[in-house]
Amino acid sequence: EAGVAQSPRYKIIEKRQSVAFWCNPISGHATLYWYQQILGQGPKLLIQFQNNGVVDDSQLPKDRFSAERLKGVDSTLKIQPAKLEDSAVYLCASSLEGGLRQFFGPGTRLTVL
Amino acid sequence: RKEVEQDPGPFNVPEGATVAFNCTYSNSASQSFFWYRQDCRKEPKLLMSVYSSGNEDGRFTAQLNRASQYISLLIRDSKLSDSATYLCVVSSRNTGNQFYFGTGTSLTVIP
Repeated sequence: EAGVAQSPRYKIIEKRQSVAFWCNPISGHATLYWYQQILGQGPKLLIQFQNNGVVDDSQLPKDRFSAERLKGVDSTLKIQPAKLEDSAVYLCASSLEGGLRQFFGPGTRLTVL
Repeated sequence: RKEVEQDPGPFNVPEGATVAFNCTYSNSASQSFFWYRQDCRKEPKLLMSVYSSGNEDGRFTAQLNRASQYISLLIRDSKLSDSATYLCVVSSRNTGNQFYFGTGTSLTVIP
């Protein structure tokens, strides 16, 4: 079974630039999550989708971060403009609808200079 | 107050040792509990769920104490391959089953 796919795996940008990350969840998983993991910390939820609707985006910094899941399958997370403190690993996870187990993708490691 | 608190360690133990990690959570309505393992520069992977009666999976034993809002993970007969960061995870239906992660506890098993 294919796992959660993410791209790119690494990205280096300068502050104030824009960046986008892509995630393709496990086939059939209705729920998709984006997490931010800063070095030395646990993952923090940014946004949760159920199909193409947002369930929770309370911790998404909406002045600079946006995310969409237009067809209820893959998703993109965008940062515009990036700040130094956005340097982190951005993890995408998916689960079955109502499922408790989340499966994580390999993450995108973002460095903002 | 953080939703989930863990001692970040690091724990450095010899092969064959027994090591225990603890985790506390703040939301008394939490209903689901997990331990995830994260290898260096890799994604978190589910190690085991934690059930109210406690549960065991080979060398790993997880315990839950709802009264004290406390979760533990015990690893017996440590192997070099157990070296990783162990993340405590808590979720609750009253927060939409959102996962709250601890900071993780770093374990290094030394030959």
